[in-house]
Amino acid sequence: QSALTQPASVSGSPGQSITISCTGTSSDIGGYNYVSWYQQHPGEAPKLMIYDVSNRPSRVSDRFSGSKSGNTASLTISGLQAEDEADYYCSSYTSSTTLIFGGGTKLTVL
Amino acid sequence: QVQLQESGPGLLKPSETLSLTCSVSGGSISSYYWTWIRQPPGKGLEWIGYIYYSGSTHYSPSLRSRVTISLDTSNKQFALKLTSVTAADTAMYYCARGVATTGLWFDPWGQGTLVTVSS
Repeated sequence: QSALTQPASVSGSPGQSITISCTGTSSDIGGYNYVSWYQQHPGEAPKLMIYDVSNRPSRVSDRFSGSKSGNTASLTISGLQAEDEADYYCSSYTSSTTLIFGGGTKLTVL
Repeated sequence: QVQLQESGPGLLKPSETLSLTCSVSGGSISSYYWTWIRQPPGKGLEWIGYIYYSGSTHYSPSLRSRVTISLDTSNKQFALKLTSVTAADTAMYYCARGVATTGLWFDPWGQGTLVTVSS
């Protein structure tokens, strides 16, 4: 099972909105609402930001939102802040009953 | 709140067996998927496998022949064994609690433990 495809990097200025895409196939993203997103700051463990495509844990800011269209899931961060600078990973369940991750996207806040 | 902590040797020689333990505190073992995920230096995340609290396991196809995950409910620990390691197994190893709602997602994660395979 190949990894999900994410852009290597995205950037935005404080206050702007950015979107990170995560592209899979009909055997993973397209077939299930099982997408989750994780934020990882340097030297730290990943943290859950979004689960089941668009659900947000209560501790996560409402500036973070998730969506899906076809085989592509997206994470949108609005009102970009310096603390949002991190690596972001998507994950999906697959028809082979395995879990796969995207390659990760480095977000730079300009 | 639930906290996870990995422990185990940080340096192995090729062909040895990697053995890590994850200790769970502040919450129940029941009804969750106790998971191992790794991250090679400078690279992305790779799911290794999980064990459900009932004892059933599921592994990544690419690692299935070398991986065993076990659960000690009385001590609230779960363990990872990976046999015949090579330099390609050098990575930060994370344990995480898998939560099944519509899908399966991981929260929280342990802080991770770096395992280096080198002769």
